[in-house]
Order: sequence, then structure tokens, then C-alpha cells
Amino acid sequence: QSALTQPASVPGSPGQSITISCTGSSSDIGGSNYVSWYQQYPGKAPKLMIYDVNHRPSGVSDRFSGSKSGNTASLTISGLQAEDEADYYCFSDISSSTLEVFGTGTKVTVL
Amino acid sequence: EVQLVQSGAEVKKPGESLKIFCKGSGYRFTTYWIGWVRQMPGKGLEWMGIIDPADSETRYSPSFQGQVTISADKSISTAYLHWSSLKASDTAIYYCARRPGESNFDYWGQGTLVTVSS
Repeated sequence: QSALTQPASVPGSPGQSITISCTGSSSDIGGSNYVSWYQQYPGKAPKLMIYDVNHRPSGVSDRFSGSKSGNTASLTISGLQAEDEADYYCFSDISSSTLEVFGTGTKVTVL
Repeated sequence: EVQLVQSGAEVKKPGESLKIFCKGSGYRFTTYWIGWVRQMPGKGLEWMGIIDPADSETRYSPSFQGQVTISADKSISTAYLHWSSLKASDTAIYYCARRPGESNFDYWGQGTLVTVSS
């Protein structure tokens, strides 16, 4: 299965809102209610930020939100902070199978 | 406290075998699937496969089917990732993670760096 498509990088200024897209197909994101998002700092394990499209785990800042429209899922970070500079990955099941797939990853840079 | 503790870094030669582990604690190990994720140097995350520790049902990505074996021993709350013959291209960090529901991983191990070099 092919990786979901994300922009390689998204820059933003402190306090700004940014949105990271994750584009798939009707076989994965378009047909799924199970999109999740992960934050990864260099040399660290990923951290779950959003699950089931738009649910935040306990302890994750409400500045992070998720949504989905058609075959594209999105992660929005509001009030961008320096600590948000990291790599972000989307993840989805493939509805026609028992398989799952990550996105290509997006580096968020805080200017 | 939920924890997944992985085995330490490994340096191996091409053709050698290797089994790394992921030990869960702080929860009932058989309740949640465990997944394995590869991250090659400077690259993104790749889903390798998952296992249900309760009955060892496994699902593999086509990219990894036949290349690795995922197993688990529920009596010691441990999942494994095994290679019978390593290649240089297996050099990567391997993460295990707990899968509490459909398509998400809430707790992650610290990662195991596997280096394969002659």
C-alpha cells in the first residue's frame, strides 16, 4: 500500500495557525473513521496527538485539532509555539483490508 | 504506569539472524494489539504489522510479509520482531507501540536501533 501524502514542510510564525494535510483515497482516509496523528521530535518516539479523526488523548493541548473531508484529513495547530516544531505523521486504516498506513510526514518549522 | 520497554541497540552483519523484544507493563498485555513500526535513517514511519498477544493473530504490511516475523509470549507480556537473515537495508530504528483501538497507537517503546553492516 502507498503512503498517505503529506506536504514535506509547513512553516509558521508564533501565534499563527497552521494546517497539515494528509491525502489518501476512498480506500483509506475517505472510507475511514480511524485517522490518527503523531508528533515526533528528533531522536524520540512518536506521540499520539489525535485519534479517530478528531479526538484528543488526555494531556494533549487543545491547540491541536483534527478533521476530515473526503479523502483528506487535516491537523490544525492553533497559537503556534516554538515547542510545536517537530515532525508530524498521519495514520489510517485501509478500509478494504486489515492493513494500516502512515503518511509521508511533515516537518513543522516555527519561524 | 503503562510502559513498553524495548531491547537495546544491536550491531549485526548481513545474513545474521536477530530477534528484538518489546516488554509491556502497567496494563493487561493481552487486552491490546501491539504494532511494530520502522524508521530508516532520516526517513518517515512505516507500519510493519501488528499482533494480538491474546492469540498471536498477526497482520503484516505487504512490504514486510516474509521479511520479518512478529510473535508474542503472553506469559511474559513480550512481543518480538525477528529476522532470519538481515540485510544492510534493515538498518533502522524499530518501535513497538500499543494499539488501543482501530488505527492508533497510544504508548510507544523507546525504539531499538538495528545496524546491519559488514
